[in-house]
Amino acid sequence: ETGVTQSPTHLIKTRGQQVTLRCSSQSGHNTVSWYQQALGQGPQFIFQYYREEENGRGNFPPRFSGLQFPNYSSELNVNALELDDSALYLCASSPRVKGLNTEAFFGQGTRLTVV
Amino acid sequence: GQNIDQPTEMTATEGAIVQINCTYQTSGFNGLFWYQQHAGEAPTFLSYNVLDGLEEKGRFSSFLSRSKGYSYLLLKELQMKDSASYLCAVSPYSGSARQLTFGSGTQLTVLP
Repeated sequence: ETGVTQSPTHLIKTRGQQVTLRCSSQSGHNTVSWYQQALGQGPQFIFQYYREEENGRGNFPPRFSGLQFPNYSSELNVNALELDDSALYLCASSPRVKGLNTEAFFGQGTRLTVV
Repeated sequence: GQNIDQPTEMTATEGAIVQINCTYQTSGFNGLFWYQQHAGEAPTFLSYNVLDGLEEKGRFSSFLSRSKGYSYLLLKELQMKDSASYLCAVSPYSGSARQLTFGSGTQLTVLP
């Protein structure tokens, strides 16, 4: 068990609705990244948060937004849901220190289905 | 742009050796990662290469050639529990697993 927890585990939403997914990072990890993983594909980087600010973004539209809180937990918000947003959403936490740091622990993910 | 290619599926027999290849063309490269992902579970870290050569960790080894944009993951003494998807990922940050670009994954099936 990595210590990264995500909620909810499964979610069904209707096209056009909004959704909020949550992630609690591993203790001591101050950087949180979100990834979208479509069925049969690798995860795609959405964005990263460090010290409560977005610190890197992948090729996703502005309706994908996020927050990071002082305790380093994070939310992913998706507005105006589309059918293609159906995927597994993964949160990964990592420490941000100088030197070699290969740790990025993933949560179990939230399976979002848009109907 | 970012492009990472891996075979979609591979099959091997329990006890055998299998090599999973990965080629990449990325605008920024500072390290290559391999992750294992069982169905319905989170990806878990297997190995990291930033310099050319072979890194060995028990039954798993990973090789990198930066000039060729090529890596492979070698799994020895295959076990049934090794059936999983194996993800190749590139990081633009040296020594860090931040902002990874992943390939589509190679689904490995280990047969008895």
